[in-house]
Amino acid sequence: GQQVMQIPQYQHVQEGEDFTTYCNSSTTLSNIQWYKQRPGGHPVFLIQLVKSGEVKKQKRLTFQFGEAKKNSSLHITATQTTDVGTYFCAGPRSNYQLIWGAGTKLIIKP
Amino acid sequence: EAQVTQNPRYLITVTGKKLTVTCSQNMNHEYMSWYRQDPGLGLRQIYYSMNVEVTDKGDVPEGYKVSRKEKRNFPLILESPSPNQTSLYFCASRGIQGSYNSPLHFGNGTRLTVT
Repeated sequence: GQQVMQIPQYQHVQEGEDFTTYCNSSTTLSNIQWYKQRPGGHPVFLIQLVKSGEVKKQKRLTFQFGEAKKNSSLHITATQTTDVGTYFCAGPRSNYQLIWGAGTKLIIKP
Repeated sequence: EAQVTQNPRYLITVTGKKLTVTCSQNMNHEYMSWYRQDPGLGLRQIYYSMNVEVTDKGDVPEGYKVSRKEKRNFPLILESPSPNQTSLYFCASRGIQGSYNSPLHFGNGTRLTVT
């Protein structure tokens, strides 16, 4: 069945280092969404990518959607403590269902 | 303020004792959904509703019931909870206008422990 693989499961970084998480879908996606969940919180929508090869930026966050619309990435430049949390990608499986990656947890080393 | 409200935030219960987790949204969203979140498994959909009186199973519906009698409310019912239903539960909603899935708005979560 359709799958969305997200890697890595965890990433430990020093504050100021970069962070990247990758999502790979077994099927072509019409769009992909990214969410952030802070520790103890709920997922919060960050962005949606729709076009092949699309790149969008939100301050230090850069989101990319692959040319084949089967993969996507989120890159954070110069991480800060406020970036801590788990980042999820999600793509549509139908008009009413999303298929979710398992998430990448960003941990800032003390 | 636009929001999805879940209650309770924390719930400890015993095996077999029926419980209901409530969810309400004030954004006039047609679509509502329940997810459970377990370590390493991400978010798994339990049930969803496209509109009033229209519901469908998600990926892990066993042991759960839902109802959608009003647009704003979408309660999750566990008729006979078991320890494997210990989890973090999220309710979410979104509008269904447009060609693509619009963003989901999540409630604050309900942490359920079944002993």
